[in-house]
Amino acid sequence: DGGITQSPKYLFRKEGQNVTLSCEQNLNHDAMYWYRQDPGQGLRLIYYSQIVNDFQKGDIAEGYSVSREKKESFPLTVTSAQKNPTAFYLCASSIIGADTGELFFGEGSRLTVL
Amino acid sequence: KQEVTQIPAALSVPEGENLVLNCSFTDSAIYNLQWFRQDPGKGLTSLLLIQSSQREQTSGRLNASLDKSSGRSTLYIAASQPGDSATYLCAGSAGNKLTFGGGTRVLVKP
Repeated sequence: DGGITQSPKYLFRKEGQNVTLSCEQNLNHDAMYWYRQDPGQGLRLIYYSQIVNDFQKGDIAEGYSVSREKKESFPLTVTSAQKNPTAFYLCASSIIGADTGELFFGEGSRLTVL
Repeated sequence: KQEVTQIPAALSVPEGENLVLNCSFTDSAIYNLQWFRQDPGKGLTSLLLIQSSQREQTSGRLNASLDKSSGRSTLYIAASQPGDSATYLCAGSAGNKLTFGGGTRVLVKP
């Protein structure tokens, strides 16, 4: 079945460590997105990519990095520079971009800093 | 900058009652408006997408309207069921990015 796979579902990190969250899609979508969700809040955009080897910062990119070397993959690294990384992270994709098509989401990765 | 608001933050109704969920946005220059459902600890499931040229979309018991001039979208769920209990989020797109509201948490009581 086509869809978006995020891994791991749960991740624990010690302060000062970098961690990478995986996002893979087999929908043949060009655009991919990373959002962060905090309890009781809406989603905030971290980074997005509309084409391979290109990506743009969202509203809260500080302390995060991404790469888009393959169309189907858009990993997110949470660096030690991110001061409050404990959150639920959601990856999404769309055919071209949010202005022209639906966004489809993965099941999310929950990161907890110990 | 686009801001999206959903009021109320939480809603409780008896089974069988129709649900009306509200979404307001500040910038009428949106390309589309999308409604999602989120179950606890899960990702988002797309419910309906309304393009800016459309006024409404329907899928089964769900109907969503869009009024760009007033900056509002409404999601109607007919004859609610306990399985409709979830958080519902709306999001408006501009510049190929979605801006989300804070969501409305819905509880349908049997």
